[in-house]
Amino acid sequence: DSGVTQTPKHLITATGQRVTLRCSPRSGDLSVYWYQQSLDQGLQFLIQYYNGEERAKGNILERFSAQQFPDLHSELNLSSLELGDSALYFCASSASAGQYEQYFGPGTRLTVT
Amino acid sequence: GENVEQHPSTLSVQEGDSAVIKCTYSDSASNYFPWYKQELGKRPQLIIDIRSNVGEKKDQRIAVTLNKTAKHFSLHITETQPEDSAVYFCAASNNAGNMLTFGGGTRLMVKP
Repeated sequence: DSGVTQTPKHLITATGQRVTLRCSPRSGDLSVYWYQQSLDQGLQFLIQYYNGEERAKGNILERFSAQQFPDLHSELNLSSLELGDSALYFCASSASAGQYEQYFGPGTRLTVT
Repeated sequence: GENVEQHPSTLSVQEGDSAVIKCTYSDSASNYFPWYKQELGKRPQLIIDIRSNVGEKKDQRIAVTLNKTAKHFSLHITETQPEDSAVYFCAASNNAGNMLTFGGGTRLMVKP
């Protein structure tokens, strides 16, 4: 167990809908990263938050957004869902500036039908 | 941006043999290279990492080597066991607290 938690574990929804994925980092970790893992794309970085502020953006679609709250948990919002958004969504956390290691949560499997 | 290539995509070995997975990276500023093991349906698990000021690091049956000049790094697993069967990902980052760029993954199968 990495200490990173994610909910829900599974999510099945229809095209055009909106969902919210939640992540709680390890105790004391300030950075949260979101990654998408699909069959043909491997693990792709989406976005990073550090202590409540957006720090880096990767290949994140405009239909997707995220935020990090004062208690350091983070939410990833996916809207106008398409079939191609079906994937595993992982969050990872690391302690602070100067900390390299990232620890992954168990992931949320999103299925868009 | 950084690009990480990983080979082979699949690797089948006999129990007790060694396995080697290789990765190359493009950004000379990258200085941190972790390896993750992912079992089916599970989270990527950090198994070993190396920083650019070190050429080799070992942890029991697992070792990682880094060649900064050639921009490649490798994972070596000795005395493989069936429980080593999983998908292994290499990754690179150019600073502490920065995003990871992952390789495409290697599916390792260890036959008993």
